[in-house]
Amino acid sequence: QVQLQESGPGLVKPSQTLSLTCTVSGGSISGGSYYWSWIRQPAGKGLEWIGRIYSSGSTNYHPSLKSRVIISVDTSKNQFSLKLSSVTAADTAVYYCAREVLRLRPGDYYYYMDVWGKGTTVTVSS
Amino acid sequence: AIQLTQSPSSLSASVGDRVTITCRASQGLSSALAWYQQKPGKGPNLLIYDASNLESGVPSRFSGSGSGTDFTLTISSLQPEDFATYYCQQFNTYSQMHSFGQGTKLEIK
Repeated sequence: QVQLQESGPGLVKPSQTLSLTCTVSGGSISGGSYYWSWIRQPAGKGLEWIGRIYSSGSTNYHPSLKSRVIISVDTSKNQFSLKLSSVTAADTAVYYCAREVLRLRPGDYYYYMDVWGKGTTVTVSS
Repeated sequence: AIQLTQSPSSLSASVGDRVTITCRASQGLSSALAWYQQKPGKGPNLLIYDASNLESGVPSRFSGSGSGTDFTLTISSLQPEDFATYYCQQFNTYSQMHSFGQGTKLEIK
């Protein structure tokens, strides 16, 4: 079955750019009507959606992070990536990648996340 | 943006209890809602989609109901492995954004 694995530096200095990669195994990132998302969770807090990408490169971002976020996809490597610029301590969190499944219903549609990575902890500190 | 409010924020219960968690949306969602379980140190795990459809492999003691703005997740008979934090999630087709409830932590009494 499909598995996701986050990777990247665990420590980033303030004002620098956080860069993470999610590697998809057991399936193609280009197969099916899937979007691929990044979500984060500060210690002891809830889940915050960051943004998503389709294999074509189409993206959507959370408005509060949009000015600092770039999500990209490399279909040849079966990976998608997150870059978050100008980080501060408030960006310290566990970062998860996830696969979004399209659910078609009469008259509408929506997405939910059926596969998640294990998460990677990123600390912003000098 | 649609806001999701879960209640209660935390809940203490015993093995064998029946528990219900509520998720209220600030706007109608039809039945476009999912529920996740998260255990400490782990990523979330999908339990229910379409408000009431059980994900494959999820025990039948979990069930979901609701439509519009009010949704519930019920665990019919709590097992030791069910003590975790639960989140509801919705996708806004207009803004193409996801949002999560703030979570409900289920603890052992």
